[in-house]
Amino acid sequence: DGGITQSPKYLFRKEGQNVTLSCEQNLNHDAMYWYRQDPGQGLRLIYYSQIVNDFQKGDIAEGYSVSREKKESFPLTVTSAQKNPTAFYLCASSILPGAFTEAFFGQGTRLTVV
Amino acid sequence: GQQVMQIPQYQHVQEGEDFTTYCNSSTTLSNIQWYKQRPGGHPVFLIQLVKSGEVKKQKRLTFQFGEAKKNSSLHITATQTTDVGTYFCAGHGSGYSTLTFGKGTMLLVSP
Repeated sequence: DGGITQSPKYLFRKEGQNVTLSCEQNLNHDAMYWYRQDPGQGLRLIYYSQIVNDFQKGDIAEGYSVSREKKESFPLTVTSAQKNPTAFYLCASSILPGAFTEAFFGQGTRLTVV
Repeated sequence: GQQVMQIPQYQHVQEGEDFTTYCNSSTTLSNIQWYKQRPGGHPVFLIQLVKSGEVKKQKRLTFQFGEAKKNSSLHITATQTTDVGTYFCAGHGSGYSTLTFGKGTMLLVSP
């Protein structure tokens, strides 16, 4: 089955530690995205990538980093510089960047930093 | 930057009642998309509207895109408990390559 896989579903980390969230897709999509979801805040864009080896900052990129070495993979690292990292993180992809293409979402990773 | 506002933030209805959520953009949109997120789940694409004044239906759901392409609505007729979830609108502005999401409307349906 084609889709987007995020792992793990739940993640706990101590404050001050970096943590990497995995996102893999087998849909052959060019564009991939990372969103952060907090209660009542909707989805806020962290980073996005339109092509391998290229990515751009979204609205709330501070404290996060990404890489896009393969078309299928777009891991997100939450660094210790992120002041409030506890949140639900969603990875998404679309066949092409830009308008008129729907986004397909992974199951999400719920990160709790204690 | 582009902003998409969505109201109401939350609505609780009795099964069988109708429900409407509204979406307004600060700028003209190229398109509007609607997503549904079930409790504990992830957003799932419902539909896309592109043309000014466009209306689309999916069974009990009716989607509209405003004439000025700055607002949209989702109307559910005779809600069912399976309609529970958060409904998000999202749009691409002209020249933008990423979707801007509204904050969503959480719908709770009591049997």
